[in-house]
Amino acid sequence: NAGVTQTPKFQVLKTGQSMTLQCAQDMNHEYMSWYRQDPGMGLRLIHYSVGAGITDQGEVPNGYNVSRSTTEDFPLRLLSAAPSQTSVYFCASSRRPGNNSPLHFGNGTRLTVT
Amino acid sequence: GENVEQHPSTLSVQEGDSAVIKCTYSDSASNYFPWYKQELGKGPQLIIDIRSNVGEKKDQRIAVTLNKTAKHFSLHITETQPEDSAVYFCAAEKQFYFGTGTSLTVIP
Repeated sequence: NAGVTQTPKFQVLKTGQSMTLQCAQDMNHEYMSWYRQDPGMGLRLIHYSVGAGITDQGEVPNGYNVSRSTTEDFPLRLLSAAPSQTSVYFCASSRRPGNNSPLHFGNGTRLTVT
Repeated sequence: GENVEQHPSTLSVQEGDSAVIKCTYSDSASNYFPWYKQELGKGPQLIIDIRSNVGEKKDQRIAVTLNKTAKHFSLHITETQPEDSAVYFCAAEKQFYFGTGTSLTVIP
């Protein structure tokens, strides 16, 4: 049972480039979410999804797009990378939306934008 | 986020001593309060959680207490061991908001 798998583990981008951070879970969880982790700022919610075909914005959605075409996958897209998006990104899933249900996190993608 | 405040940001204790980390939250509708442990290079992992219908929950050396009136909850680790060294995060408000983390160091 792999849990939540994130790829790639590391990525370096130039300003203006685009890329997709992949996230897949094999636990049949309805709820998935993306957080970014920056020093001294904890985890901040970017986007989340309560099920296939449904996405919504979190605390810091600007500059990021998401889609949820299947229960298993929840990719995060950066259309035009900026240095402010240098961060560690974590994908998480849970059986139900974040209320009353533990989150299962992947091991993160460390992104550097130069 | 500012909706959840966590203190202290760093904590050093001697092996065997206790450690306490505190979080406060803003939304009185919050009813689920998890604590996560993050080891270097890994994602956070749930270590204990509490729901608003109880005031305290224990799991071996770890306990969480909740004061809904004051809107704060705390993580207590007793008999600390070097493997407890990690960063700990609290969360509230449907886990939309996390605390800024506490880096715990247990000195052998």
